[in-house]
Amino acid sequence: AQSVTQPDIHITVSEGASLELRCNYSYGATPYLFWYVQSPGQGLQLLLKYFSGDTLVQGIKGFEAEFKRSQSSFNLRKPSVHWSDAAEYFCAVGAGAWGGSQGNLIFGKGTKLSVKP
Amino acid sequence: GAGVSQSPSNKVTEKGKDVELRCDPISGHTALYWYRQSLGQGLEFLIYFQGNSAPDKSGLPSDRFSAERTGGSVSTLTIQRTQQEDSAVYLCASSIPTGRARFSTDTQYFGPGTRLTVL
Repeated sequence: AQSVTQPDIHITVSEGASLELRCNYSYGATPYLFWYVQSPGQGLQLLLKYFSGDTLVQGIKGFEAEFKRSQSSFNLRKPSVHWSDAAEYFCAVGAGAWGGSQGNLIFGKGTKLSVKP
Repeated sequence: GAGVSQSPSNKVTEKGKDVELRCDPISGHTALYWYRQSLGQGLEFLIYFQGNSAPDKSGLPSDRFSAERTGGSVSTLTIQRTQQEDSAVYLCASSIPTGRARFSTDTQYFGPGTRLTVL
């Protein structure tokens, strides 16, 4: 069965420092991968997605992620964190099988990011 | 344009009562999803509607949960005889399939959620 693991529950970084949030997935075929961000009291906002092609994906707000098939990973990165990036980040994989009707996302448990001034 | 909207934003109910949660998807989006977000369980898929196809109910936790989608647009999630463990944020998302076989490739846009508290 498909699954997503975000090994870090909570990460604290200083403003201006670089950031990497880890995500590992389990999926039998080529995965369709997503990163969402959820600010306090807000809904989920898509940061970026990977379907195929270039394994380095650029997203909004200066985020990028790299798909590494050999490591089953899709880590999210940002070179310089801003205080407004403090939020919870969710990695997800599309659950649909080829030709199937299931269209939901399977989410990791999330990583809460705190930013120190 | 308008995003996914959900109502109410907050709902407090007593154990044993029924509740209805509403989702208005983005206009033209034929796919609609319900998820539940609770402490300790993270984000869980509940049910998925795609056009006129039979909904995928594989994520519903019990037969107290049901959902319908009228006219291919607005959806209502109903929880009967609510229990305290039903307390969570219920999120709705919509997307527009692009015709590929794997519907999961389509970006899902989420609403702000309904926070349900069962006393």
